[in-house]
Amino acid sequence: LAKTTQPISMDSYEGQEVNITCSHNNIATNDYITWYQQFPSQGPRFIIQGYKTKVTNEVASLFIPADRKSSTLSLPRVSLSDTAVYYCLVGAYGGATNKLIFGTGTLLAVQP
Amino acid sequence: DTEVTQTPKHLVMGMTNKKSLKCEQHMGHRAMYWYKQKAKKPPELMFVYSYEKLSINESVPSRFSPECPNSSLLNLHLHALQPEDSALYLCASRYRGLGELFFGEGSRLTVL
Repeated sequence: LAKTTQPISMDSYEGQEVNITCSHNNIATNDYITWYQQFPSQGPRFIIQGYKTKVTNEVASLFIPADRKSSTLSLPRVSLSDTAVYYCLVGAYGGATNKLIFGTGTLLAVQP
Repeated sequence: DTEVTQTPKHLVMGMTNKKSLKCEQHMGHRAMYWYKQKAKKPPELMFVYSYEKLSINESVPSRFSPECPNSSLLNLHLHALQPEDSALYLCASRYRGLGELFFGEGSRLTVL
């Protein structure tokens, strides 16, 4: 299973763009990269998923370089409500395994 | 319906009690998960059911007993727990090995 490494915490201000990186050096060919957001005492919530290059949805972008050994979650113009823990997960898509392991996550603190 | 419903939201039990946590989804997902989360830690995988069969048990102590009576329901039976088992128990589901995990809001368990 690919292990992920993220910064423990990050600070930002409202209106700024925030980029959170995740390292996954032993990612497998079938693995996809998925990011989740979690607020205190709530279940994690899906943000975005990708395999390579760039994926964008209404809340975030995900950048994945050609070697896929890392990925970057980009949150445009963060607000106070984006203060949360962000987790990067790597796992097979359509494969037999359902083993999805959370890494340590990144606590993003957005200040006014 | 894109919800995973967990009951109860809060549970307090003594070390000699027997209780159960319940999880329900009606999205047709065939993979269902139990995670345990301690304060300021990432969710820790406990069990995975795939097509109502236990496919992953992360060496969880036998005082935790999972059950998947049908494709929509997942139970976690609790017996003779220890105070250190106090945590947020999260249920999640996804469509086979595809797509993102959908999480419930969790059941906050306190063992006295």
